[in-house]
This record gives sequence, structure tokens and C-alpha cells, in this order.
Amino acid sequence: DQQVKQNSPSLSVQEGRISILNCDYTNSMFDYFLWYKKYPAEGPTFLISISSIKDKNEDGRFTVFLNKSAKHLSLHIVPSQPGDSAVYFCAASVDNFNKFYFGSGTKLNVKP
Amino acid sequence: EAEVAQSPRYKITEKSQAVAFWCDPISGHATLYWYRQILGQGPELLVQFQDESVVDDSQLPKDRFSAERLKGVDSTLKIQPAELGDSAMYLCASSLSRSGQETQYFGPGTRLLVL
Repeated sequence: DQQVKQNSPSLSVQEGRISILNCDYTNSMFDYFLWYKKYPAEGPTFLISISSIKDKNEDGRFTVFLNKSAKHLSLHIVPSQPGDSAVYFCAASVDNFNKFYFGSGTKLNVKP
Repeated sequence: EAEVAQSPRYKITEKSQAVAFWCDPISGHATLYWYRQILGQGPELLVQFQDESVVDDSQLPKDRFSAERLKGVDSTLKIQPAELGDSAMYLCASSLSRSGQETQYFGPGTRLLVL
């Protein structure tokens, strides 16, 4: 039973436009959420995180939004760049365990 | 910048053979994780260590998989015997601790192909 879901396997966006990647979860106990980026033949690299006490966290071009009532989070990339082309995973955990549950990933393609 | 090291990067083996993967976490990180990532899916936790102790191995197929972190630093994941369905990317990650809201840092992974 997948507790974290990314329903869009792929997304294609024009350079300079906004990329919006979505993630849904089912476990209301999750209180920490992260986004990882993964290039081919490399391990995932940490991108941005958000605690459940917040609804928004921003880091440069990357912003994560959390809607606890909808059990939904999203990652916004503005402006998108070709170098952002990668697979993006969302992950969630319950405090005190640090056990991450990952979504299946969304492959982002940013076209020049 | 400190990184998680893994070896080998690629491994091809025949079914029923034994394979082993090695991971060296970021220095000072007490918590170490082994994940398996099947193509098209997200990473799935196999085992979590706090120092040298296993704190979660609920998803580890214990009939064929074993993991150890004898001195609480580097770790080895073993599969014996390997099966066709074990073909996947095996990722190691580490974090400062296992308390809540600690970022996990991943190594480059070992891609295993079982023939």
C-alpha cells in the first residue's frame, strides 16, 4: 500500500516557465516532507524540505507548498531551466523515526 | 563536500550467486540506510542502522538478505542467493541521527543485474 503517490510519471515544460510537481499522501501522521532530485546513474540529491507546521518553504527558484487538509504537497520551480531536467521524488516521514516513504517519481523535461 | 561512497557502481551476477555491496557514510553520521529502487518506482527502505544496531529491518527479505555495520561506520549488504527479481538499484544513505526531520544524503548507488 503506497502511502506517498506521484500520479504524474512525466512532465514537460518550456524553459523559463513554471514547473509544478505534485505529490499526495495518505498517512495523516506524516510531519516532514522532502523533495529529492535524481539524475541518471546518480543517487538522489536533497532539494528542499518542509515541516508540517509550515505551509510554504522557499529556496531560490524552488518552493514547496503543503496542504495538510488535502494531504497534498507540490514543488514549484520558477523559472525552469534545462538543467532541472531530472526525476523528482517526494518523500515523507513521521517524527522520531526518520523512516522515509518515497513516491514513484516524476520525470521533468525542461525544453530549451 | 562530504559524500556517501558506495561500491561497486555496477554488478552483474548469475542467479544463485552471492553478491555484496559496500557503503561508507558521511563522517559523523550515526544513522545509515539501505534502500532498493526498482526501475520506475521510488526507493524502498530495506534496513536502517543506528550506529552498529539495526533499528528497522521490517522490509528486508531475511531469508536471502543480510546487512551489517560492525563498527558503526561502513556497512555491507549481502544477497545470497541472488534471484532475478533482485535486479535493481541499491542505494545507501546516511543522516546525522534518526531523530525526526533529519535529511538523508544518498550515495550514487549500486546497479545490480541478475541473469
